[in-house]
Amino acid sequence: AQSVTQPDIHITVSEGASLELRCNYSYGATPYLFWYVQSPGQGLQLLLKYFSGDTLVQGIKGFEAEFKRSQSSFNLRKPSVHWSDAAEYFCAVGEVGDYKLSFGAGTTVTVRA
Amino acid sequence: KAGVTQTPRYLIKTRGQQVTLSCSPISGHRSVSWYQQTPGQGLQFLFEYFSETQRNKGNFPGRFSGRQFSNSRSEMNVSTLELGDSALYLCASSLPTNTYNEQFFGPGTRLTVL
Repeated sequence: AQSVTQPDIHITVSEGASLELRCNYSYGATPYLFWYVQSPGQGLQLLLKYFSGDTLVQGIKGFEAEFKRSQSSFNLRKPSVHWSDAAEYFCAVGEVGDYKLSFGAGTTVTVRA
Repeated sequence: KAGVTQTPRYLIKTRGQQVTLSCSPISGHRSVSWYQQTPGQGLQFLFEYFSETQRNKGNFPGRFSGRQFSNSRSEMNVSTLELGDSALYLCASSLPTNTYNEQFFGPGTRLTVL
């Protein structure tokens, strides 16, 4: 069965500092991986996705993520955080033919001035 | 192109009632999925429909049901509401040729059960 672990429940980062959010997963076949962001009271917005190929993927809003098969990880990074990045971030995994996504518990990011 | 729309955005019901939530996918998308989001359980998959057929279902009681219409719009129904059904219900759509299940989410319907 698929499972996704986001070890950090809450991260506080200063504006302009770098950010890294961790995601570990387990899967039965070939996974595809996503990062979504959710602002309070809103739905989920797709930041980036990994299906295959280059293990470093670029997304919107200056985010990138690296797929490491040996570590079963798909960590999200941003070099310089803006106050508008304060939100909750979800890692998700799916498998071909499964027609669903399994989500991690989410990491809440607080940005301090 | 318009995004996924969900109606209503907010809903208040009492225990024992039933509720129907509606989702209109992005134009051209034929797969619709539903998720429940609560502070305690996080995001949990309810079910997925494609061409009016349910292809996958999560681990929820039979009180939760859904359907999809020929125009790809979807509804989900919860009967005999319980306090624990209070949640944000999210709908997501994806393309018909989407092998990798990239899903686009709507803003959600906030259901409060009193």
